Amino acid sequence: KQEVTQIPAALSVPEGENLVLNCSFTDSAIYNLQWFRQDPGKGLTSLLLIQSSQREQTSGRLNASLDKSSGRSTLYIAASQPGDSATYLCAPLINKFYFGSGTKLNVKP
Amino acid sequence: GAGVSQSPSNKVTEKGKDVELRCDPISGHTALYWYRQSLGQGLEFLIYFQGNSAPDKSGLPSDRFSAERTGGSVSTLTIQRTQQEDSAVYLCASSLERDRGLHTFGSGTRLTVV
Repeated sequence: KQEVTQIPAALSVPEGENLVLNCSFTDSAIYNLQWFRQDPGKGLTSLLLIQSSQREQTSGRLNASLDKSSGRSTLYIAASQPGDSATYLCAPLINKFYFGSGTKLNVKP
Repeated sequence: GAGVSQSPSNKVTEKGKDVELRCDPISGHTALYWYRQSLGQGLEFLIYFQGNSAPDKSGLPSDRFSAERTGGSVSTLTIQRTQQEDSAVYLCASSLERDRGLHTFGSGTRLTVV
């Protein structure tokens, strides 16, 4: 069974800092990996999707990298803003998503 | 519709009652997933529908849980004889098969069993 670990579990930073959220997974036979954002009381919002053949994807201030062979992905957030405060979930996909427990991010104004 | 729609958004039920949760996926999406998130826990896979194939039920926690997908579109998750540990947010997602990803999630149904 796929095990997904996200580090750190929680992170509190002042506005403007660059951040790195880490994700590791045990089964590297994935189709792709997706990063989601979850706001309290809301559903999940897809942020970035990296196919297994890709090394990274970028969207605005977000950059996600994938090292499939070592079972790692990172989400880089540049110039963090208070609106980035949320829980970030990493989810590698085999026939279904396996989710980590997330990193709870708080960006202080 | 434009997104995945789930209803109800909130449900409070008495222990022992049955509940039905509904998911309307994005039109044309052949894959549909149910997950749940208990308080303080990560997302837990429940069941996966793909087209006309037999569903992957490997995540259902007990035989009190069942799900149907009628006409390859709307899905209903049924929980019989609810227990307090069933209290969670139940999330539905859909995707196009060929994308194997680009999952779009609904806003969830928050179930509270009292």
